[in-house]
Amino acid sequence: NAGVTQTPKFQVLKTGQSMTLQCAQDMNHNSMYWYRQDPGMGLRLIYYSASEGTTDKGEVPNGYNVSRLNKREFSLRLESAAPSQTSVYFCASSEAWLAGGYEQYFGPGTRLTVT
Amino acid sequence: KNQVEQSPQSLIILEGKNCTLQCNYTVSPFSNLRWYKQDTGRGPVSLTIMTFSENTKSNGRYTATLDADTKQSSLHITASQLSDSASYICVVLRTGGFKTIFGAGTRLFVKA
Repeated sequence: NAGVTQTPKFQVLKTGQSMTLQCAQDMNHNSMYWYRQDPGMGLRLIYYSASEGTTDKGEVPNGYNVSRLNKREFSLRLESAAPSQTSVYFCASSEAWLAGGYEQYFGPGTRLTVT
Repeated sequence: KNQVEQSPQSLIILEGKNCTLQCNYTVSPFSNLRWYKQDTGRGPVSLTIMTFSENTKSNGRYTATLDADTKQSSLHITASQLSDSASYICVVLRTGGFKTIFGAGTRLFVKA
């Protein structure tokens, strides 16, 4: 039982390049999330997927797209990377909606640098 | 504006001592409040989840309190250990959805 896994762990991109961050969970959770964490700030929600087949914008969605490939996998795509997207990205999952008191489990993070 | 403020920003204590971290929030309507521990280079790990009606919740040496009237929460760590060195993050959820508001965290250093 690996929990939430993310690939890659580190990535360096040049401005304008594209890439996809991968996330998978093996807990049969319905809901999945993408956050970014910047120094001195709290984690901010980029996109979430309440259940398989649905995705919704979070607090900071500009410059990102997501795909809920199946119940296990939720990917985050940067179409044209910008230096402002330099951050640590965390994927998370929960059995159901967080307002219902369900635990949220986080992956180990992807550290992305855009030069 | 929905905000979560944590204090202090950082704290240094000696191993074996107790400490208390603070969280004030202005999030409304309130659903639940969570405390997470985040080790350096890792994702956050849940410590406690409290709903509006809960005043106290414990998880081993960690005890969280909630005063929903004053919109304040605290996390008390008893008999600190070196492994408690981490960031502690307070998170508040608004009613009715998935949107979480994270505090910036308190960085705790436990020294031998």
